[in-house]
Amino acid sequence: GIQVEQSPPDLILQEGANSTLRCNFSDSVNNLQWFHQNPWGQLINLFYIPSGTKQNGRLSATTVATERYSLLYISSSQTTDSGVYFCAVTQGGSEKLVFGKGTKLTVNP
Amino acid sequence: NAGVTQTPKFQVLKTGQSMTLQCAQDMNHEYMSWYRQDPGMGLRLIHYSVGAGITDQGEVPNGYNVSRSTTEDFPLRLLSAAPSQTSVYFCASSYSLGRETQYFGPGTRLLVL
Repeated sequence: GIQVEQSPPDLILQEGANSTLRCNFSDSVNNLQWFHQNPWGQLINLFYIPSGTKQNGRLSATTVATERYSLLYISSSQTTDSGVYFCAVTQGGSEKLVFGKGTKLTVNP
Repeated sequence: NAGVTQTPKFQVLKTGQSMTLQCAQDMNHEYMSWYRQDPGMGLRLIHYSVGAGITDQGEVPNGYNVSRSTTEDFPLRLLSAAPSQTSVYFCASSYSLGRETQYFGPGTRLLVL
């Protein structure tokens, strides 16, 4: 099956810093989503981005499908950005969403 | 809209006991799915459903049973709980399982002793 690798596994920032999270996948995909899991465990969808670039406030994402990677950018980080960021994909005709292991982000005040 | 709801929030079971984790959504989504989340493993798909009466296996289906009698509800059954099933369980729904935004419930934390 498809492999999804996220890097770095852990990231510690000071409030106000920028960061880039990476998601590599081993095969072509027809769907890619980014999720944020807050410290209380709630999972929130950030972007549905099988290709191209999207922006939502301080967050933006870019997927280069031909090179099999996606990037999540967080600018001017805030303590509320802390949590785990997951990348998830589907491929071909499959309806199964495969998750990476996540990047744990800690933003210190 | 309440979105995706799950009950209970927390449950302790003894090995061999059975239980049902409830999941409901009020967004008229056709697709629903169950995931388990273990430390360092990310989320893994257990079972999913593409509509009422239709279910299929995910990545880790053993030990779990599902049915989908209505669009709104998608319960997950543990027939004989094992310590390896200690995990956090999430239910999700969407118009399309793989191709559109997934909405997740708050999760059920299960401890099997």
